[in-house]
Parts: sequence; structure tokens; C-alpha cells
Amino acid sequence: AQSVTQLDSHVSVSEGTPVLLRCNYSSSYSPSLFWYVQHPNKGLQLLLKYTSAATLVKGINGFEAEFKKSETSFHLTKPSAHMSDAAEYFCVVSEGYIPTFGRGTSLIVHP
Amino acid sequence: DAGVIQSPRHEVTEMGQEVTLRCKPISGHDYLFWYRQTMMRGLELLIYFNNNVPIDDSGMPEDRFSAKMPNASFSTLKIQPSEPRDSAVYFCASSLVGEQFFGPGTRLTVL
Repeated sequence: AQSVTQLDSHVSVSEGTPVLLRCNYSSSYSPSLFWYVQHPNKGLQLLLKYTSAATLVKGINGFEAEFKKSETSFHLTKPSAHMSDAAEYFCVVSEGYIPTFGRGTSLIVHP
Repeated sequence: DAGVIQSPRHEVTEMGQEVTLRCKPISGHDYLFWYRQTMMRGLELLIYFNNNVPIDDSGMPEDRFSAKMPNASFSTLKIQPSEPRDSAVYFCASSLVGEQFFGPGTRLTVL
């Protein structure tokens, strides 16, 4: 069985400071892992994905995530937050074609 | 490809009325998913199809909800009769190899 836990429901940062959104997963197999972003009143958009290639994955808009099997983590980071990064972020685990979504982390960016 | 297309984008109806939401997946994708998103419950998987066949409908809240996929390019989610607690954003997503592509959603308001 697969599951995913997003450790923070809200993260608040100042513009220009680093972003860290935490995600832990549980999986019986070698999973695929994804991060999606949802801006207000919009659909979900894929930020990045891990599918057993390089453990450090680069995504769009300067985001990246590192797959750490020993820690069962897939945290999302960005060196410098922009106001436009304010959104809801979802971590997703998938052992096959059926994903399990985390509850989401709301990123708040202060000017 | 135009991506996943959903219609209508907004629907306002009165309690007791039938509501039909429509989805056109990306051509060539063999999985189709219906989700519901609310502030209280977050993102919930309602049902998914593989090659037009419903595989798991355990997320469908009750018998008032039904979904069909008559062919590879069209799916519907029907609520009959609708209730105020059905008010939510309903997303359709399609996938081929695990990565899901989401439509813009249908915002349903039941008065």
C-alpha cells in the first residue's frame, strides 16, 4: 500500500528567501513521485517528477526535489521565493498508474 | 493537443436537479480520473477508468453519483439529485504512464 504525508499544512516565507515543502511517503515498491502546484482557482499543474532516474529532480520555475530512499522523503525546495509562487502544493506517490495525493501545503509568500 | 477539456467551467443549480459534468481526456491516454476538491476534505478521488472501463468507484460518495466513459474521448460524471453538500470543484485528469494531466475543473454550486 502507498501513502504520502505532507508535514506542513501551511508554510510562510518572505520573498527572496528559500522554500522548503516537506513530503514523506510509504510504498511497497519503487514508486514514482510527483509534485503538483495549484494556483488559486486553477487546475493542478505538474512541477516535477521522479521515476527512478537521478535522485535530484529539477522542475519548472526553479523548483527541485531530492528523492531520499533511506528517509522515504521527497522534499520540494527553491532557493528564492517569488510572490508568484504563492499556491497550494501537492506531493503524490504512485506505485503504478494510480496515484495517492497528499493533503497539500499552502505556500504563503510575504513581500 | 489542447489538454484535458472540461465543461461546463461553472455550474449553478438548485437542490434536486440533475447535474452532468463532462470531460474530454488527452488523446491516447488510457486512464481517466474524476476528483472532487473542497476546503473541508481536500482532493478526493471519486472514480477512475482504464481503457474506458471503470476500475475503482469506491470514492463515489453515494448512489446519487454515477460516471460513464462511453468511448476513449469522452466521460461524464452525473449527480442526480444534487444536494448543497455536493458543491465543490470537480476535476478530470488523464494519464498514460503515471503522470496525470488535469483539466481546469468545473465549479459546482448547488443552492
